[in-house]
Amino acid sequence: SQQGEEDPQALSIQEGENATMNCSYKTSINNLQWYRQNSGRGLVHLILIRSNEREKHSGRLRVTLDTSKKSSSLLITASRAADTASYFCATTTGANSKLTFGKGITLSVRP
Amino acid sequence: NAGVTQTPKFQVLKTGQSMTLQCAQDMNHEYMSWYRQDPGMGLRLIHYSVGAGITDQGEVPNGYNVSRSTTEDFPLRLLSAAPSQTSVYFCASSSPAGTPPTYEQYFGPGTRLTVT
Repeated sequence: SQQGEEDPQALSIQEGENATMNCSYKTSINNLQWYRQNSGRGLVHLILIRSNEREKHSGRLRVTLDTSKKSSSLLITASRAADTASYFCATTTGANSKLTFGKGITLSVRP
Repeated sequence: NAGVTQTPKFQVLKTGQSMTLQCAQDMNHEYMSWYRQDPGMGLRLIHYSVGAGITDQGEVPNGYNVSRSTTEDFPLRLLSAAPSQTSVYFCASSSPAGTPPTYEQYFGPGTRLTVT
């Protein structure tokens, strides 16, 4: 069963704009991760945030985590056409390594 | 490092045929897993392994077998292919990092399987 649920399902923006994607989950988590998938390719890890963290940055990426609302958001600033991809949130619960993925968000960045 | 490699890239099977999807990693990762990706469904875990000789079922294990005889290899066997197994299959590997440990997964390029 899906633990993470991303929102919106699809997002289309102009190059240079910021893209915000949201993820909600159902049960308590150990950590939450975001992955990117370019068309026809495997997933690539973007960023991980632990349950005791509220915000993390990596380059143009900013992720926040609100455990009281069981939600996370991924912000991509100053988007580029190369950011066009599908983005997935994934969670782990307990001490195990199993990831549960959401269904993904399709981001299109228009040049 | 080649990372995670998967073969074949594409495969067409007839219903009832069997085959093995190969996965190998050269990062000495303990943890390996198989996912299937279907349109609108995200990724679902089929089987996973926390080390050589140890495997366990994921969310959708029926119709698939795995074994882990070495750290590097984690093949996925389809016993008797069915059209419902038409999907894209991804292998991933990881090792723990940090305290408490977290697992960033490295994915292979995928195998696109069609069962007719």
